[in-house]
Amino acid sequence: DVKVTQSSRYLVKRTGEKVFLECVQDMDHENMFWYRQDPGLGLRLIYFSYDVKMKEKGDIPEGYSVSREKKERFSLILESASTNQTSMYLCASSYFGTEQYFGPGTRLTVT
Amino acid sequence: EDQVTQSPEALRLQEGESSSLNCSYTVSGLRGLFWYRQDPGKGPEFLFTLYSAGEEKEKERLKATLTKKESFLHITAPKPEDSATYLCAVQAEYGQNFVFGPGTRLSVLP
Repeated sequence: DVKVTQSSRYLVKRTGEKVFLECVQDMDHENMFWYRQDPGLGLRLIYFSYDVKMKEKGDIPEGYSVSREKKERFSLILESASTNQTSMYLCASSYFGTEQYFGPGTRLTVT
Repeated sequence: EDQVTQSPEALRLQEGESSSLNCSYTVSGLRGLFWYRQDPGKGPEFLFTLYSAGEEKEKERLKATLTKKESFLHITAPKPEDSATYLCAVQAEYGQNFVFGPGTRLSVLP
């Protein structure tokens, strides 16, 4: 079974803090993705990576950065958290051209 | 621009009452269409991939079909445990990204 894990299920941070969200997959997938999901807005792609050290901006990259130093791990960084970044964050991974498998999500609240 | 719409936004069924969910898409060259199930507070769970018009996939009470402009997820004799949000996504030939629809929230009442 494919397994995608995320470092935290729930996270509460203060405005201005630097936040790290980590994602690990165990299927040797080339592609990894970070999404945020908000009521009424659906799933929106923040960043994705198709290889180690490679990254591409998605639809809403502003305020976020990513890091992929190892194939199995993809980190999302909020450089200075703001209240409008309160959301559910979902990580996914896939082989080239195939279905994405999602992690359980991290519910981030920024106060 | 690639787009995905889903209808209805929400659907309430009685247990055993069969129905269909619709996913309409616009994409410049379809590589694949994907169906997911999402329970509240959890990540989406992969259900099916469809690659070409006329293709069908089945899993328990669910059957997904594909035409050149839309896909249907047919639910036969649903049970309360089928209650979830069902998401549809498309992947274009030229990229690795998915475009997700807004989802259909299904409630099956006992």
